[in-house]
Amino acid sequence: EVQLVESGGGLAQPGRSLRLSCSASGFTFGDFGLSWFRQAPGKGLEWVGFIRDKVYGETLEYAASVKDRFTISRDDSKSIAYLQMNSLKTEDTAVYYCTRTWGIEVRPDYWGQGTLVTVSS
Amino acid sequence: QSVLTQPPSVSAAPGQKVSISCSGSGSNIGNNYVSWYQQLPGTAPKLLIFDSNKRPSGIPDRFSGSKSGTSATLDITGLQTGDEADYYCGTWDTSLGTFYWVFGGGTKLTVL
Repeated sequence: EVQLVESGGGLAQPGRSLRLSCSASGFTFGDFGLSWFRQAPGKGLEWVGFIRDKVYGETLEYAASVKDRFTISRDDSKSIAYLQMNSLKTEDTAVYYCTRTWGIEVRPDYWGQGTLVTVSS
Repeated sequence: QSVLTQPPSVSAAPGQKVSISCSGSGSNIGNNYVSWYQQLPGTAPKLLIFDSNKRPSGIPDRFSGSKSGTSATLDITGLQTGDEADYYCGTWDTSLGTFYWVFGGGTKLTVL
């Protein structure tokens, strides 16, 4: 069974940093890409960024709203993906989801349960 | 403001059929496959439809998808109260010279 479990969420002050983890199981981690999405309270889904798998060169893309502040990485030996979030803003407050993705188009299929990040002073 | 346009809400009675539309442009839906996700209250999104009209294993055939031009549609037949959820369409877009994912704003389905 494919499982994705996010952790690392919590309360952070504006300007501070937080690192989220996404632990995967039930599939060959290195064969898939990973994406991060977020959902602000009462709002819709927003793509944050992705990292492709080795076949596609582990290339990365980020949404304009987080580019130069957020960094995605992966450790295939541990089946974990990370989302390093720096210079946090109040508008980054959301539930963050990691997803398994496939293909060069990084299409999300399985989603984790999400972890809440609250940015507030 | 979402890149893809969905109606904010739809409703129908149990047993009936409902259709949810998703409108985009040539840089997204017009040239790419569409996915649909179901988000039950308080839970994570779940993939319902991929490649515009394919269902993952375990998804009932009451759910079906289609695409024409720059629009896509999710049809749900034989509505059940358990289908009450938010539904999102999504696809990728390359109009900004980079590759990114876009979604509709979501459609809340109420089963009366």
